[in-house]
Amino acid sequence: AQSVTQLDSHVSVSEGTPVLLRCNYSSSYSPSLFWYVQHPNKGLQLLLKYTSAATLVKGINGFEAEFKKSETSFHLTKPSAHMSDAAEYFCAPNQAGTALIFGKGTTLSVSS
Amino acid sequence: DADVTQTPRNRITKTGKRIMLECSQTKGHDRMYWYRQDPGLGLRLIYYSFDVKDINKGEISDGYSVSRQAQAKFSLSLESAIPNQTALYFCATSDPVRENTGELFFGEGSRLTVL
Repeated sequence: AQSVTQLDSHVSVSEGTPVLLRCNYSSSYSPSLFWYVQHPNKGLQLLLKYTSAATLVKGINGFEAEFKKSETSFHLTKPSAHMSDAAEYFCAPNQAGTALIFGKGTTLSVSS
Repeated sequence: DADVTQTPRNRITKTGKRIMLECSQTKGHDRMYWYRQDPGLGLRLIYYSFDVKDINKGEISDGYSVSRQAQAKFSLSLESAIPNQTALYFCATSDPVRENTGELFFGEGSRLTVL
């Protein structure tokens, strides 16, 4: 069985500073891994995905994530936060043949 | 038009009423899902279907039922709604073969309030 833990329920940063949203997963097999973003009153949008190619994955809006199998982590980063990055972020591992299971989410706040 | 369409987008109902949330998709995907979102709990899987003849329970299926009427349609029913089913419900689709990943494609969500 797989599970996922987003280590921070809320992260606050200042505009222009780096962003780190942490995600650890537990899986019997190497999964695919996804980050989704949800802006207020909106649906979910795919931010980036890891599917066993390069371990450093680049997504939209300057976000990237690094798959570290030894640490079972897939942390999301961005060098410089923008006000428009304020949203809720969800990490989701997926094993072939099963449905995606989502973490509880991390709310990112960005102050000016 | 959206690839994954949910109706209704908003619904207020009373305890004990039967409610159906509908989802239709134009992506041609085989797999469809229903999730509910509650603050602080993320998205939790209710039911999923990998093809028209396949229905599977998710983590929180109690109090819900589903119908896969066609490849493009997947409905979620609450036979007798209760207040703790107040939530935002999302339908999603995927097709690992066609899209080459397990990526989910989401509808805009259906906000249900049970009084």
